[in-house]
Amino acid sequence: QVQLQESGPGVVKPSETLSLTCSVSGDSIPSHDWNWIRQPPGGGLEWIGHISYSGNTQYNSSLKRRVTISIDRSKKQFSLKLTSVTAADTAVYYCARRDDYFFDYWGQGTLVTVSS
Amino acid sequence: SYELTQPPSVSVSPGQTAYISCSGHKLGEKYASWYQQRPGQSPVLIIYQDRKRPSGIPERFSGTNSGNTATLTISETQAMDEADYYCQTWDDSTYVDGSIYVFGTGTKVTVL
Repeated sequence: QVQLQESGPGVVKPSETLSLTCSVSGDSIPSHDWNWIRQPPGGGLEWIGHISYSGNTQYNSSLKRRVTISIDRSKKQFSLKLTSVTAADTAVYYCARRDDYFFDYWGQGTLVTVSS
Repeated sequence: SYELTQPPSVSVSPGQTAYISCSGHKLGEKYASWYQQRPGQSPVLIIYQDRKRPSGIPERFSGTNSGNTATLTISETQAMDEADYYCQTWDDSTYVDGSIYVFGTGTKVTVL
C-alpha cells in the first residue's frame, strides 16, 4: 500500500521560506511523478508543481518564481520550498502521487499558517 | 490560464441521483478526473480517465466527458456521499511551462 506523509513546521513567518518534506513508502519512486498540492482554509485545490525521479520539475506558473521542488532518492523523499510567504500562502499542503494525468495517492496533508 | 467551473452546491435526497457538472474549454478533448473530499480528510480519487473507477470505489459513481463538460453522476445517493467534489484535468496550451494540472472550483454535495 502506497503511503505519503508530509512533515514540516506548522507556522512560518511572513517573508520567510516554507519548507515541507514528503516521505514515500510502499512504492517505487522512479515509477511516477511526485506532486505538491495546496488548499487554503475553506478553499479549493491548487496544484503547485511536481518532480520526476530524474529530477525534472514543472511548476504552476502562478507560483513558479517562488517554488522549488527537490528529491532525495536515497531517502524516498521529496521536498517543497516556497519563498517570501504571505498570509495568502496559509493552506493545507498535500503531497500526492501522479499516475498518468490523475492523482491516485495523497498524504494526509499538513496545515501551514503564515503568521508573525 | 485554463479554468474548470463547477456549481458551488448540489442538493440531493437519499436514494436519488446527483449530477455534478465541470465545464472547461474543449474539456472533452482531455481526460477528466474526479475527487471526493470529506470534511477534514484528504481528497480521494473516485473517477479517472473520464469514466474509470479505482478499485474500491462503488459503482454508483460514474463519469462522462464530452464537448466542454464533464459530469459526475452519483446514483442511489447515500448520506456518506455528502462531501466536496472536485474535477481535474491538465492543460498543455502554455507550451513553455509544459503540462499543468488544474482543479475545478469544487461542489459541495448535500444529502437532505
